[in-house]
Amino acid sequence: GAGVSQSPSNKVTEKGKDVELRCDPISGHTALYWYRQSLGQGLEFLIYFQGNSAPDKSGLPSDRFSAERTGGSVSTLTIQRTQQEDSAVYLCASTMNLNGETQYFGPGTRLLVL
Amino acid sequence: QQQVKQSPQSLIVQKGGISIINCAYENTAFDYFPWYQQFPGKGPALLIAIRPDVSEKKEGRFTISFNKSAKQFSLHIMDSQPGDSATYFCAARSSHQAGTALIFGKGTTLSVSS
Repeated sequence: GAGVSQSPSNKVTEKGKDVELRCDPISGHTALYWYRQSLGQGLEFLIYFQGNSAPDKSGLPSDRFSAERTGGSVSTLTIQRTQQEDSAVYLCASTMNLNGETQYFGPGTRLLVL
Repeated sequence: QQQVKQSPQSLIVQKGGISIINCAYENTAFDYFPWYQQFPGKGPALLIAIRPDVSEKKEGRFTISFNKSAKQFSLHIMDSQPGDSATYFCAARSSHQAGTALIFGKGTTLSVSS
């Protein structure tokens, strides 16, 4: 595919359940970012991966949030014991390399926690 | 994280008019200022970006004006069209901190009436 893809596009879950969100970056892009977009709040940085380096987890809001990137490509964002305030659009972006400035975003996963 | 403040939150412009969105930042280390455009159900996409060594950058109907001393930058959309109706985000980052995530404003929802 030519762009960043994310799945699922929509996810409805019950409070307390775990969810996994997937991101497929553009082929060859070594840097991958996760953001959260809440209504009226802009884009909030969550976590960043670059190649085989340790990820920058400074934006994760709590220890219920974690992410991994396997094989330097696909990434999974996991939210454990979901809360209603986790409801948001989760966006993934990739850049060509460490110094890449243009971030290419996927369409996002819309998460609703009931 | 240093904040990027964006205004207005929403904007209604008549077709053919000029849309102006403003952003202010605090961190003087920021040296890359992009604007992203987001349509409903889609991820943000880079629209135009500027570095502080120039005061203005124009691409078609879109212009960024940059005021380094005031730590402000703005997006001007000339001859606004209904197809420009979208949410616009300003952002900033420091290239000296390679790989760091963009810091986004909270967004401006633009509606261009026909």
